Amino acid sequence: DTEVTQTPKHLVMGMTNKKSLKCEQHMGHRAMYWYKQKAKKPPELMFVYSYEKLSINESVPSRFSPECPNSSLLNLHLHALQPEDSALYLCASHGTGANEQFFGPGTRLTVL
Amino acid sequence: SQQGEEDPQALSIQEGENATMNCSYKTSINNLQWYRQNSGRGLVHLILIRSNEREKHSGRLRVTLDTSKKSSSLLITASRAADTASYFCATPFIGGFKTIFGAGTRLFVKA
Repeated sequence: DTEVTQTPKHLVMGMTNKKSLKCEQHMGHRAMYWYKQKAKKPPELMFVYSYEKLSINESVPSRFSPECPNSSLLNLHLHALQPEDSALYLCASHGTGANEQFFGPGTRLTVL
Repeated sequence: SQQGEEDPQALSIQEGENATMNCSYKTSINNLQWYRQNSGRGLVHLILIRSNEREKHSGRLRVTLDTSKKSSSLLITASRAADTASYFCATPFIGGFKTIFGAGTRLFVKA
């Protein structure tokens, strides 16, 4: 299985809502990533988990809270988001010693 | 700021023509990668070229790397409508997890 899955595909939420994005891979990859991508822009790194531990937080606001419950699963908990947080959120993973990242299809998030 | 910058920002060509896009980066690298992204979807890895390589081929793709100029180019030959997508170069930080993506080139291939 060489696939990274993300749910939901689309999410619309109000600024007072709490929601979560989910990412899953079964390739045995021990590094997992969250990226944020605005329209016509490249992906911007948000968080990196390595061996289920947070390795990189790119100064992301605390209204975004990542979680890595196990080596296959990565969550991004959302709370009190702003309209400018509307974007495509991409999850990716890569294996130890590998170079390429495998990306999920993304979650299109709209904050009203 | 982003490590990789790309040009052109957008490119429109006819089916069958070749498409060339360029990428520049700022720091030392072990490798440089190219990804494709169809509209609103995830990125797909296309090809990787190592810092000690000058040119690499994969099917209709040809990538060059000039480490002295800190630049790379991606050539897609005999383009097809299905090649319509955004193309990003990516440079992983040496010894780390972070990868910087270039601004991207939006390619439109007209049938």
